[in-house]
Amino acid sequence: EAQVTQNPRYLITVTGKKLTVTCSQNMNHEYMSWYRQDPGLGLRQIYYSMNVEVTDKGDVPEGYKVSRKEKRNFPLILESPSPNQTSLYFCASSLFVGTATYNEQFFGPGTRLTVL
Amino acid sequence: QKEVEQNSGPLSVPEGAIASLNCTYSDRGSQSFFWYRQYSGKSPELIMSIYSNGDKEDGRFTAQLNKASQYVSLLIRDSQPSDSATYLCAVNPGTGNQFYFGTGTSLTVIP
Repeated sequence: EAQVTQNPRYLITVTGKKLTVTCSQNMNHEYMSWYRQDPGLGLRQIYYSMNVEVTDKGDVPEGYKVSRKEKRNFPLILESPSPNQTSLYFCASSLFVGTATYNEQFFGPGTRLTVL
Repeated sequence: QKEVEQNSGPLSVPEGAIASLNCTYSDRGSQSFFWYRQYSGKSPELIMSIYSNGDKEDGRFTAQLNKASQYVSLLIRDSQPSDSATYLCAVNPGTGNQFYFGTGTSLTVIP
């Protein structure tokens, strides 16, 4: 089954404790991305990756890191989480982006993160 | 100015009616447009993508794109209670590799 998976689905942590949210896709997609979703603010892009070893900032990159060492995986790293990073996080992937077609994104199930 | 704007609603329609959802965007050079449906607590699910001016139909859903006026709309015919969800409009400007989402329109279909 073609899918995007994220782990963990739920996470409660404390301020300053480093954490990683994993994302994996099995569709051989080139483009992967992380979003956060907050009430009233909608989905905002954190980081995206056009391909292996190619990453770039989205609208809200502060406090986050990413890496793309393999095509299928795109982990999101919070090195020192703070309460304002409490949010619902989604990973998404797309065949490719930068052309006028075939850039539909498919989303993972989401990770609900609470930072105390 | 936000990249993508939607009326947050809530929009209520009776079962069997047509629901009309609208979205405007700021980047005139945008090339790719998407509608997603999101149930509460779930991930966005792609409903339609549209790349050219005009209408694109898929079952009960029709997406309409007007690049000159910079708006994209979604019509849902014969609305069902299961269509009750938040609908997200998304745009890829084409000049970069980012995606911009509206804040969503909440739709309730009343049986």
